Amino acid sequence: DQQVKQNSPSLSVQEGRISILNCDYTNSMFDYFLWYKKYPAEGPTFLISISSIKDKNEDGRFTVFLNKSAKHLSLHIVPSQPGDSAVYFCAASVWGNEKLTFGTGTRLTIIP
Amino acid sequence: DAGVIQSPRHEVTEMGQEVTLRCKPISGHNSLFWYRQTMMRGLELLIYFNNNVPIDDSGMPEDRFSAKMPNASFSTLKIQPSEPRDSAVYFCASSFNGNQPQHFGDGTRLSIL
Repeated sequence: DQQVKQNSPSLSVQEGRISILNCDYTNSMFDYFLWYKKYPAEGPTFLISISSIKDKNEDGRFTVFLNKSAKHLSLHIVPSQPGDSAVYFCAASVWGNEKLTFGTGTRLTIIP
Repeated sequence: DAGVIQSPRHEVTEMGQEVTLRCKPISGHNSLFWYRQTMMRGLELLIYFNNNVPIDDSGMPEDRFSAKMPNASFSTLKIQPSEPRDSAVYFCASSFNGNQPQHFGDGTRLSIL
């Protein structure tokens, strides 16, 4: 039972364009969401997060949008750069609970 | 600052052997998490500790898996006996008081032949 789903296993985007990665969740108790980025042979590193009291959070080229009614969040990367090529994991938690539930990841490839 | 340190980075062993994975969390972090990454299921939480006490082990797949945290700076994940389907990348992560985000080590790639 996947409570956090990333339905696109892979995505290719031209350098300089916008990358949009999507994530859906089924557990309505989730109220805190994170995106992690993972390079080969390394552990996931935290990228950006959002709590359910917001619908948008921005950090430089990265913006996360949350649509609570649709149980959907997305990560926008603008402009996309070759160094953004990695696997991106969406994760969710209940505020105050230590457990994170991860999606299966989306492999992003930026084409020069 | 030293991050989460895992050893070994790679482990190849034969079916039936005992495997021990090791983790040193970030100094000062008191929550520690063990994850397994597979293609089909992504990152799955196996077990986590708070202040060296196991809090939730519901993700541990079978009795062949066990984890310990004898002190604040060391944890082990043991598989005995190992099976080919245990082949995966195992990650350790730590945080302070369960606050997000968790910080991950670089993982142990385990291959059981």
